[in-house]
Amino acid sequence: DTGVSQDPRHKITKRGQNVTFRCDPISEHNRLYWYRQTLGQGPEFLTYFQNEAQLEKSRLLSDRFSAERPKGSFSTLEIQRTEQGDSAMYLCASADRSGANVLTFGAGSRLTVL
Amino acid sequence: KNQVEQSPQSLIILEGKNCTLQCNYTVSPFSNLRWYKQDTGRGPVSLTIMTFSENTKSNGRYTATLDADTKQSSLHITASQLSDSASYICVASFFSGGYNKLIFGAGTRLAVHP
Repeated sequence: DTGVSQDPRHKITKRGQNVTFRCDPISEHNRLYWYRQTLGQGPEFLTYFQNEAQLEKSRLLSDRFSAERPKGSFSTLEIQRTEQGDSAMYLCASADRSGANVLTFGAGSRLTVL
Repeated sequence: KNQVEQSPQSLIILEGKNCTLQCNYTVSPFSNLRWYKQDTGRGPVSLTIMTFSENTKSNGRYTATLDADTKQSSLHITASQLSDSASYICVASFFSGGYNKLIFGAGTRLAVHP
């Protein structure tokens, strides 16, 4: 499979628990993005990596959220002390070095916080 | 403020009919305009990408138009099929901080009925 892989696809957790999502981008893509999408809305930008460097973080990303991309390959998005408002689809996308910056999205990780 | 607005919010058509989805954007400096198709529970998939110099671009039964003067785009679907049922998201890109940033619309939810 040469697409963007995300794991897990679904996560149900209780409020206050920590969760971690993993994204494996297309291997030759150096750019990686995380987005959050709630029902009936378009994706909202969370953070952007170029190789291993996290170049931008949205103000949506509170202190409870942290993202890493060690070695510039896969990335993880951790949410600590989850709240019900964190329930959403978390989408990962990757892009190559070309100026067009065409994003390829993964299937997403759906989080439900009870 | 950079933003993308789409209309209608939802649309129901009969199989075989044509339809047109609208997108108005306000981003600066404008880089390109993209249309994505998102099936329920899946990540968005790119349909077209157009720069300001391109007025129209086709991808099979999908034809996108762009009017950079009025900052409007449309996506026309010809001879709709049941598999066209999905959300269609308009995305405007602008260049800032050394890379293209994306502003997503909320999408138009299309349902094609037999």
